[in-house]
Amino acid sequence: KQEVTQIPAALSVPEGENLVLNCSFTDSAIYNLQWFRQDPGKGLTSLLLIQSSQREQTSGRLNASLDKSSGRSTLYIAASQPGDSATYLCAVKGLTGGGNKLTFGTGTQLKVEL
Amino acid sequence: SQTIHQWPATLVQPVGSPLSLECTVEGTSNPNLYWYRQAAGRGLQLLFYSVGIGQISSEVPQNLSASRPQDRQFILSSKKLLLSDSGFYLCATGPVGFYTEAFFGQGTRLTVV
Repeated sequence: KQEVTQIPAALSVPEGENLVLNCSFTDSAIYNLQWFRQDPGKGLTSLLLIQSSQREQTSGRLNASLDKSSGRSTLYIAASQPGDSATYLCAVKGLTGGGNKLTFGTGTQLKVEL
Repeated sequence: SQTIHQWPATLVQPVGSPLSLECTVEGTSNPNLYWYRQAAGRGLQLLFYSVGIGQISSEVPQNLSASRPQDRQFILSSKKLLLSDSGFYLCATGPVGFYTEAFFGQGTRLTVV
C-alpha cells in the first residue's frame, strides 16, 4: 500500500528565503506526482505535475523535482513571499489500482513572515 | 480549463438529519469524479469515485453514499448524519488519463451538531 510522507509538518521562514519542502513515497511504481497548495478553508490548487519519466518541472518561482527510484520529490520555492503562506500537499498516482486514484501526504504548513 | 462548483460552502446540520452535497463540473466531459473528506489536522481521505454515470466505487465503509445522475454531476448524501461526519468535503476531477492533473472544488465545511 502506497504511503506518502511530508516533512516538515510545519515551517516558518522570513520573507525572501529560499526553501525546500519534501515529499517521500514508499512505492516507486507511480505514473506521476502532483503538488498542490491549500489556503485555509479552501480547496486544493494544482501547482505542478511531474510525470514519472520527468526529473523536474518549473512554474515561476516554483521548481519541483522527482527521484522516482528513491521515492522522493522536493518543491523548491524561491524568494518566498507572505502570499506563499499555505499548506502544501503532494500526491502520487500509482501504477496499480483502478479509478486513477491519488495518494496524498498530510501536507506541510508554510508560514512566510514579514 | 476545468471548473468545479461545490455548494454549499458551509453547512451546520443536527445529528440524524439528512445530507446532500452537490458538485458540478464545467470544461470537461466524461470526467472521473471523486469525493474526499479532510478532517482537522489529517490528510485527504478518498470516500467515493466514479468513472461514469451511475458508476460509484466506495473506498471506505461509512454513513455516506454517492450518486452520479449526470456526466458532470456528483452528489454526496447521507440519510442520517453522525457527529463523526463533520469535516471538510472536497469534490475533484481527474486524472482521466494517466498523465493528467487532478482539479479540486472549493469544498464544503460540514459541522454536525
